[in-house]
Amino acid sequence: QKEVEQNSGPLSVPEGAIASLNCTYSDRGSQSFFWYRQYSGKSPELIMFIYSNGDKEDGRFTAQLNKASQYVSLLIRDSQPSDSATYLCAVNPGAGNNRKLIWGLGTSLAVNP
Amino acid sequence: NAGVTQTPKFQVLKTGQSMTLQCAQDMNHNSMYWYRQDPGMGLRLIYYSASEGTTDKGEVPNGYNVSRLNKREFSLRLESAAPSQTSVYFCASSSFTDTQYFGPGTRLTVL
Repeated sequence: QKEVEQNSGPLSVPEGAIASLNCTYSDRGSQSFFWYRQYSGKSPELIMFIYSNGDKEDGRFTAQLNKASQYVSLLIRDSQPSDSATYLCAVNPGAGNNRKLIWGLGTSLAVNP
Repeated sequence: NAGVTQTPKFQVLKTGQSMTLQCAQDMNHNSMYWYRQDPGMGLRLIYYSASEGTTDKGEVPNGYNVSRLNKREFSLRLESAAPSQTSVYFCASSSFTDTQYFGPGTRLTVL
């Protein structure tokens, strides 16, 4: 059973702090990794994706991938109250999976003013 | 571009009624998906279509049918609705990069 695990939270951080969200996956052959944000009552929206080991930065967001340890993380710098949402991690396990993603249950983030 | 659109946004059904949820995308994506999302259960794949003319079961297909009408449209049908199908339904489409783009969702209540 291919799995993606996230801490459900809630993760609470003060405004301006760094929020760190973590995700582990079970399939060592996984090839692509995605972070989505979902506001309450809305649909998931893509924040960023990462394919290679290391860091990928996009504005205040940094995705970090470590394939050897099978985890991917999302750092949010200078957290804002508008970042309060549920963050979903998704993984493509790779060849033969027909472009299906395996989804974590999400981590709820609360940024306190 | 509208991206992924879904109709209706809200629906209330009685047990045993049928309905079709419509989804369309204008991004020329080959792959399309139907998910349901319930509290504490995350996104669960109902059916997907890797390309026009093909459909396959996902994690929770029982009680649902799908039609990939053409490259743009992918519909989900509930033949005989049950209270257990009360949920939020999302349609998504993806490109060759596997990035999935979601529609706004349909909130379905079955009484």
